[in-house]
Amino acid sequence: AQSVTQLDSQVPVFEEAPVELRCNYSSSVSVYLFWYVQYPNQGLQLLLKYLSGSTLVKGINGFEAEFNKSQTSFHLRKPSVHISDTAEYFCAVSERGSSASKIIFGSGTRLSIRP
Amino acid sequence: DADVTQTPRNRITKTGKRIMLECSQTKGHDRMYWYRQDPGLGLQLIYYSFDVKDINKGEISDGYSVSRQAQAKFSLSLESAIPNQTALYFCATSGPAGDFTDTQYFGPGTRLTVL
Repeated sequence: AQSVTQLDSQVPVFEEAPVELRCNYSSSVSVYLFWYVQYPNQGLQLLLKYLSGSTLVKGINGFEAEFNKSQTSFHLRKPSVHISDTAEYFCAVSERGSSASKIIFGSGTRLSIRP
Repeated sequence: DADVTQTPRNRITKTGKRIMLECSQTKGHDRMYWYRQDPGLGLQLIYYSFDVKDINKGEISDGYSVSRQAQAKFSLSLESAIPNQTALYFCATSGPAGDFTDTQYFGPGTRLTVL
């Protein structure tokens, strides 16, 4: 079975600073990887996903993530954050090619932006 | 209008009461999901349905049941609510991919409090 770990529950950064949100996964088979964002009082929406191909994935709002198979990581990055990026970010994983597969979400990282 | 709607948005009930949470979607998606969100735990999958005649248990189905009344409607029931079912509940939909690779579209959530 797969699992996903988000190493930081909260990340405070200053506006216009770079940010990295860390995500590590565990699985015995190949996986698909996702980052979702939840703005205050809203449901989740997809930021980006890795299915195959290039390990650097670009998403909405200037975010990108890099799949590193050897380190089983899928860290999310943005070179310069804005106040509007204040939200909770969830990493998720599902196993390839399994009809019984389910998507597993991490516990979330709360990103707070200071002016 | 929102593509995925949930009713009610907030509900306070008492231990032992039966509660139904409803979800409707206008995206024309076959797949629908119910998740529970608890602080620090991320999202946990309760049930999912890949079409009207297909219902599957997720990670935490005990104490819950579902009904897929139509392609567009998926209801979650708590037959006898208990306080540890106090949480934020999300409905989501996705397109007809063979696994969990498709983007999931989330409703705004239902905040349930069981006293």
